[in-house]
Amino acid sequence: QLVLTQSPSASASLGASVKLTCTLSSGHNSYAIAWHQQQPEKGPRFLMKVNSDGSHSKGDAIPDRFSGSSSGAERYLTISSLQSEDEADYYCQTWGTGMLLFGGGTKLTVL
Amino acid sequence: QLQLQESGPGLVKPSETLSLTCTVSGASISSSSYYWGWIRQPPGKGLQWIGSIDNSGGAYYNPSLKSRVTISVDTSNNQFSLKLGSVTAADTGLYYCARHDRRNWYLDPWGQGTLVTVSS
Repeated sequence: QLVLTQSPSASASLGASVKLTCTLSSGHNSYAIAWHQQQPEKGPRFLMKVNSDGSHSKGDAIPDRFSGSSSGAERYLTISSLQSEDEADYYCQTWGTGMLLFGGGTKLTVL
Repeated sequence: QLQLQESGPGLVKPSETLSLTCTVSGASISSSSYYWGWIRQPPGKGLQWIGSIDNSGGAYYNPSLKSRVTISVDTSNNQFSLKLGSVTAADTGLYYCARHDRRNWYLDPWGQGTLVTVSS
C-alpha cells in the first residue's frame, strides 16, 4: 500500500537551513513526489516535483533557496537562508494508478 | 496565467448535498493533457484528495468517498463541479480545486479554497 510519512514538526533558526523528509512506503522507491507549501491562512502552493533519481523541477517563481533531492525511499525538501515567511506547513504528495495521496504534513517553525 | 476559483454555498445542512464549482481562467479545460481535481482540508488537519476528472468526463475518486462523490465537467463554461452527498459535520472544511498533468499527477496550480460548514 502506497503511504507517505512525514514528521509532524520541524524547526530551524532564521537564516539557517532545514531539510524536510518524506518517506515512501516499502516497495515504492521509484515514485516521484511533489512538495507543497501552505502558509498560515492560505491555500497550498506547488513548490517542486522530486524524482527518484534526485532531479527536481520547480514551480513558477519558487526561489532558489528551495531545492529537492532523493535517497532510496526518502524524498527531501531543503530550504536554505530561512526567512520568516517560510514558516508554514509542508506537504508531500504522490500518485499511483488512478489515485493521489498526501503525507500528513510537517509544520515548520522558524525560530 | 492559469487561475482556478472555487464557488458555492458556505453552509450545508446535514444529510444534504454539498455542491461546489471551480471556474478555470487562463487556459481551456478542454485540453486533453490535464486532469482537474478536488481536494479538501478539515479544520486544523491535513489534505485529502477527493477525486479528479478529465475533459471527456473520465473520473477517478478516492475510494473512501466514492459512494458519495460525483465530479462533472462543463467545457462550455470552462468549469468543473463537485457534488458530495449525505454530508455530516465531518465534511466541514476548506475545499480546493487544482489541476494536474495526465501523466504526472502533481497539483499545480491550486485555487484559493472555499470554506464549507455542515451544520443545521
